[in-house]
Amino acid sequence: DSGVTQTPKHLITATGQRVTLRCSPRSGDLSVYWYQQSLDQGLQFLIQYYNGEERAKGNILERFSAQQFPDLHSELNLSSLELGDSALYFCASSAGQGARSPLHFGNGTRLTVT
Amino acid sequence: GENVEQHPSTLSVQEGDSAVIKCTYSDSASNYFPWYKQELGKRPQLIIDIRSNVGEKKDQRIAVTLNKTAKHFSLHITETQPEDSAVYFCAASKGNTPLVFGKGTRLSVIA
Repeated sequence: DSGVTQTPKHLITATGQRVTLRCSPRSGDLSVYWYQQSLDQGLQFLIQYYNGEERAKGNILERFSAQQFPDLHSELNLSSLELGDSALYFCASSAGQGARSPLHFGNGTRLTVT
Repeated sequence: GENVEQHPSTLSVQEGDSAVIKCTYSDSASNYFPWYKQELGKRPQLIIDIRSNVGEKKDQRIAVTLNKTAKHFSLHITETQPEDSAVYFCAASKGNTPLVFGKGTRLSVIA
C-alpha cells in the first residue's frame, strides 16, 4: 500500500457530464501530482500542487481543473466530458518537489465516458 | 520541455534470460531518472532510480546505467522470472520539475 488514497475506483458517466476525482496524499507529503493514462499510453502529466499552490502544468485541457485543499487532499474536476477522456487517472504524492523525492502513486480512478 | 523516448514498446524473453530497456531524454539538464513497474491493473511502483552524478546502480537482479553524454539510460533485468512480467516506465526530471515518462515497455517473461 502506497499510502495514497484515490476515490472513487471506478466512474462511469455520459458525455457532457462533470465528475470530481479525489486524492489523499501520503501522510507528510506536500506535493500532489495528477497523471492520465490512456489505453496503451504512457503517463501523461496533468498538473502538480505543492502545499496548496499550483506548481506546474502539463497537458491539461481547459475543461479540466484541480485544486489542493488546506488538509493537502486534492481534487481533479473534469467537465464537458468526451469519449476520449476515458482513461485511468492517477494521483501521486511526494514529500518534496520534482526530482528531490520519489513519487508514490495511488491505485487510480478508472473513468469511462459513454 | 523534456521529451523521453523508450524502446522497445514490447519485449518477450525466456525465463532466465536478461532483458534490457532503453530510454533517451532531450534535456541535458535532467538529473533524476527513475524506473517504475506497473503490473496489470495496478499502480506504477518505483523499482530503482539513478541520479546524474552516478553512472550505474544495482539492486539485486535489476540495474540501471546512465550515459549523460549520449543522454540515454537503460534498465537491465537479469535472470528474469515470470513475476517480472509488467509494463516498465522510464522517466526523467530536473530540479523541481515533474517527472516526464516514456510510453512504457510491456515485458513478457515466458516460462
